[in-house]
Amino acid sequence: GEDVEQSLFLSVREGDSSVINCTYTDSSSTYLYWYKQEPGAGLQLLTYIFSNMDMKQDQRLTVLLNKKDKHLSLRIADTQTGDSAIYFCAESGAGNMLTFGGGTRLMVKP
Amino acid sequence: DAGVIQSPRHEVTEMGQEVTLRCKPISGHDYLFWYRQTMMRGLELLIYFNNNVPIDDSGMPEDRFSAKMPNASFSTLKIQPSEPRDSAVYFCASMAQETEAFFGQGTRLTVV
Repeated sequence: GEDVEQSLFLSVREGDSSVINCTYTDSSSTYLYWYKQEPGAGLQLLTYIFSNMDMKQDQRLTVLLNKKDKHLSLRIADTQTGDSAIYFCAESGAGNMLTFGGGTRLMVKP
Repeated sequence: DAGVIQSPRHEVTEMGQEVTLRCKPISGHDYLFWYRQTMMRGLELLIYFNNNVPIDDSGMPEDRFSAKMPNASFSTLKIQPSEPRDSAVYFCASMAQETEAFFGQGTRLTVV
């Protein structure tokens, strides 16, 4: 079955760049997503990328997709303490089902 | 639109009791998903509906879990009887065709 994997934890200093990585197995994925979850809240869509793109930039966020290696990354430039959260990678496969990774907890130190 | 609305936000119940979680999707969205989030397993898809019809319920852990979508604006996830290991945050999400999913704030369930 489909599988999405992420590292569990990332710690960076305020002002540095953060890079969160994700690997997936379903080569038929149409869209790949990054969601952010703050404490006590639901998931909020940050950005998404269509599978025929290899890069998407949105202000401080850059998404890179390597379809050959099935690798997705999210880069946050000038990371702020407010970026501390759990970040989920997700892919949409058959039937528009979303498969999520386990989430990466980003901690930003002042 | 107010987004996906879930109720209650928090539920504490005793083992053996029936629990019903509710979800109101965004109007016009034809997909609805129920997810469970725990520390051990992360985010798991339990079941999803398309046009009110259950499409895939393979993620439902046991027969104690059931979900319904009687109309396009309402869905329930029921656990009967509840057990302590069901304690988790349950998310509902809705989606229009080929777009992103929007999540509710979740229901934190504690079964004691």
